[in-house]
Amino acid sequence: LAKTTQPISMDSYEGQEVNITCSHNNIATNDYITWYQQFPSQGPRFIIQGYKTKVTNEVASLFIPADRKSSTLSLPRVSLSDTAVYYCLVGEGNSGYALNFGKGTSLLVTP
Amino acid sequence: DTEVTQTPKHLVMGMTNKKSLKCEQHMGHRAMYWYKQKAKKPPELMFVYSYEKLSINESVPSRFSPECPNSSLLNLHLHALQPEDSALYLCASSPFEGASTEAFFGQGTRLTVV
Repeated sequence: LAKTTQPISMDSYEGQEVNITCSHNNIATNDYITWYQQFPSQGPRFIIQGYKTKVTNEVASLFIPADRKSSTLSLPRVSLSDTAVYYCLVGEGNSGYALNFGKGTSLLVTP
Repeated sequence: DTEVTQTPKHLVMGMTNKKSLKCEQHMGHRAMYWYKQKAKKPPELMFVYSYEKLSINESVPSRFSPECPNSSLLNLHLHALQPEDSALYLCASSPFEGASTEAFFGQGTRLTVV
C-alpha cells in the first residue's frame, strides 16, 4: 500500500486559491489517487479522483505529474465553508485497503 | 438516492451491554465498509465486505462483530466494549471494492462506552 505524506495543516484567506500537495513515492501502476474532505463529526466526502495528468470538476482540480509520485489538490477561491480536513488516498482499484486514510491536512480558511 | 444511512446517530452503552449499529444503502453498491474514528484522528478501516462476504478484517477485536445480511445492509454488533472503544463509527459503500470509484459515507454513529 502506497504511503502518503501531506502537510498537517494549512491556513488561507477567503478568496484565495489553495494547493495541497500529497507525496506518494511508492505509488504502484494500478493505484488511483483520490481526495476526500471531512467536516467535524461528519463522514468524509469524495472530492476528486485521478490516475494521471489533470482532472477538473466543479469543486476542485487534481494535478498529477508524469512520474505520479505526488499529486496536488487545487481549491479555487476558497470560502469559510472549505475549512475541513482533506485526505489524499492512494490505492489499487480493486482493493478495499485502498480506502485506508492517512493523516490528512487540516485547512483553516479565515476572512 | 446517494445516501448511506446509519442508525442510531448516538449510542451510550455500558461495558456489559450488547448493541448493534446499522448501515443501509440503496445505491446497488456491492462493497461496504466500517471505520472507527477517534477525535482529531483519521478514520481507521475496520472491515470490508464485498458481495456480502467479509473481504478485509483489520485485526479488529472480537468484541466487534460485523454482519452483512444482504447487499443493502451492514451491521456491526457490539459486545463487552471498553471505554477506549468510544468513537465515531462510520459506514461507507462503493460500487465495488477498491479505490477506482467514489465511496459514499454515512454521518456516523457517535458511540460512548461507560
